[in-house]
Amino acid sequence: GAVVSQHPSRVICKSGTSVKIECRSLDFQATTMFWYRQFPKQSLMLMATSNEGSKATYEQGVEKDKFLINHASLTLSTLTVTSAHPEDSSFYICSARPDQSSYNEQFFGPGTRLTVL
Amino acid sequence: AQKITQTQPGMFVQEKEAVTLDCTYDTSDQSYGLFWYKQPSSGEMIFLIYQGSYDEQNATEGRYSLNFQKARKSANLVISASQLGDSAMYFCAMREFQTGANNLFFGTGTRLTVIP
Repeated sequence: GAVVSQHPSRVICKSGTSVKIECRSLDFQATTMFWYRQFPKQSLMLMATSNEGSKATYEQGVEKDKFLINHASLTLSTLTVTSAHPEDSSFYICSARPDQSSYNEQFFGPGTRLTVL
Repeated sequence: AQKITQTQPGMFVQEKEAVTLDCTYDTSDQSYGLFWYKQPSSGEMIFLIYQGSYDEQNATEGRYSLNFQKARKSANLVISASQLGDSAMYFCAMREFQTGANNLFFGTGTRLTVIP
């Protein structure tokens, strides 16, 4: 199956710093990628839809100035958590939909666990 | 209203037995897709199976099959011959094609534990 990588897999940072998370589709092109957030023992919540060449679409309640998304190419999207605070600690998962898709399949990265001290 | 409902927070199954994980959905779209994902403790979301709303046959992928009952708006996942490695969280998800929304709506998940 298609592979999506995420880097880093785990990051610990101090409050007030910014953290960048990369999401790459390794063997397919993806005009559309998605960023999710998952709290412990809860489901995935969509934060934003990342579109190559245009601005991301944020879900209601997600601060676009805090969670900056850049979809620089057809294989790379980045999420930057700016001025991180302890409440931003969470599991962040990216997902990509292949441009050449037989049935709208969507593949997920392994996730990034962010801990803000 | 919840788009996806998974009413079983946790399920236990004996190794080698079959288990059904429930999923009901709510949509007014005529065209939609239903997905099941497995999330082991490592956190990665693993795609298991897909069912399109217009597919007449129930989807099957190896030991996974989807019991699709369109009139009841249910899309239960059946895992046959359970293995210890099947212990994980399982999420049902839906995408609505007519509304144009790109995102997957996820249910709250079911934690499956396979007992040796």
